[in-house]
Amino acid sequence: AQSVAQPEDQVNVAEGNPLTVKCTYSVSGNPYLFWYVQYPNRGLQFLLKYITGDNLVKGSYGFEAEFNKSQTSFHLKKPSALVSDSALYFCAVRDMAGANNLFFGTGTRLTVIP
Amino acid sequence: DAGVTQSPTHLIKTRGQQVTLRCSPISGHKSVSWYQQVLGQGPQFIFQYYEKEERGRGNFPDRFSARQFPNYSSELNVNALLLGDSALYLCASRGGNWGTDTQYFGPGTRLTVL
Repeated sequence: AQSVAQPEDQVNVAEGNPLTVKCTYSVSGNPYLFWYVQYPNRGLQFLLKYITGDNLVKGSYGFEAEFNKSQTSFHLKKPSALVSDSALYFCAVRDMAGANNLFFGTGTRLTVIP
Repeated sequence: DAGVTQSPTHLIKTRGQQVTLRCSPISGHKSVSWYQQVLGQGPQFIFQYYEKEERGRGNFPDRFSARQFPNYSSELNVNALLLGDSALYLCASRGGNWGTDTQYFGPGTRLTVL
């Protein structure tokens, strides 16, 4: 069965500092991995995805993620955090066996401190 | 271009009632998926429809049903509502039915069951 884990419920970072939101995955075969962000009372906004190719994936709003097969990780990163980046972040993996739906992690709340 | 739209935005029902939620996908997208997001958790897959056919179903009881119309819009129906059905219901659309396709989410319908 496929799954992703987000080990941190909460991440705090100072504005201007680099940020990392962690995600590890468990799949059989090659994973398709996604990151989404959710602002209060809003749906999910797509940030980036890894399908194949370069391990460093660049996405929206200056975010990037590094795929690491040996560590089964797909951490989300940004070189310089903004206060407006404060939100709930979800990592997801495609269901390899079924309808191409997504399995989501439990989410990480990012707070950027001015 | 308009994104995924959902209606209504909020809904309050009492136990035992029935509810219908609606979703319009991004223009040109033929696949619609429904997810349930309970407070404090990641979204969980309910249904996927592609070209008006059910292509996948998550681990939800038969009280949950859905359909997709010729214009690719979709409805999610929940019968005999329980308190535990209170959640944010998200609709996502994508162009095709490939695992590499990105799912784009709507703002969601907040359902409260009293």
